[in-house]
Amino acid sequence: DTEVTQTPKHLVMGMTNKKSLKCEQHMGHRAMYWYKQKAKKPPELMFVYSYEKLSINESVPSRFSPECPNSSLLNLHLHALQPEDSALYLCASSPQGDRLSNEQFFGPGTRLTVL
Amino acid sequence: QKEVEQDPGPLSVPEGAIVSLNCTYSNSAFQYFMWYRQYSRKGPELLMYTYSSGNKEDGRFTAQVDKSSKYISLFIRDSQPSDSATYLCAMSLLTTGNQFYFGTGTSLTVIP
Repeated sequence: DTEVTQTPKHLVMGMTNKKSLKCEQHMGHRAMYWYKQKAKKPPELMFVYSYEKLSINESVPSRFSPECPNSSLLNLHLHALQPEDSALYLCASSPQGDRLSNEQFFGPGTRLTVL
Repeated sequence: QKEVEQDPGPLSVPEGAIVSLNCTYSNSAFQYFMWYRQYSRKGPELLMYTYSSGNKEDGRFTAQVDKSSKYISLFIRDSQPSDSATYLCAMSLLTTGNQFYFGTGTSLTVIP
């Protein structure tokens, strides 16, 4: 299995909802990432997990809460989001967790709309 | 000044043309250089990955890194309509721990 999968593909939620995004890889990669991408912009790094520990949090608001239950799974819990949080949320993984910069492999993304 | 600069285009070429995509950067410590292709509403797909200076070829794609000029290029030979996408350059340092610096992406359309 040589891909990163993300579910759901699309998500529409209200500002009071709680939802979760899921990312999975079975390539044995030890670093996993969450990015946010707005239209016609490059991906913006949100969080990095290295060996299942949070190693980078790019000053992301607390309404986004990451979780790495094991080396293959990465979740992003969403609560009380704002309409401006609507974007494509990308998950990525790379082989080694303690050194940059092995190439990162991206999933297809979850397109989130906050009403 | 941004860490990585990339002309957003759009770039439109006829089928079969040679395409040149470029990025410049300001941080001389960047060591790893990547090119990603992103189709509309999809995740980025890794095309090429180069460490330090030099050229790397993979099929119709050639990546070049000129560290003395802080300039990287991606060449696409015999361009096809299926190459129509946004191309993102990305680069990183050796020791900062998992952070990529992306260009803004260049939108390419190959006209049949």
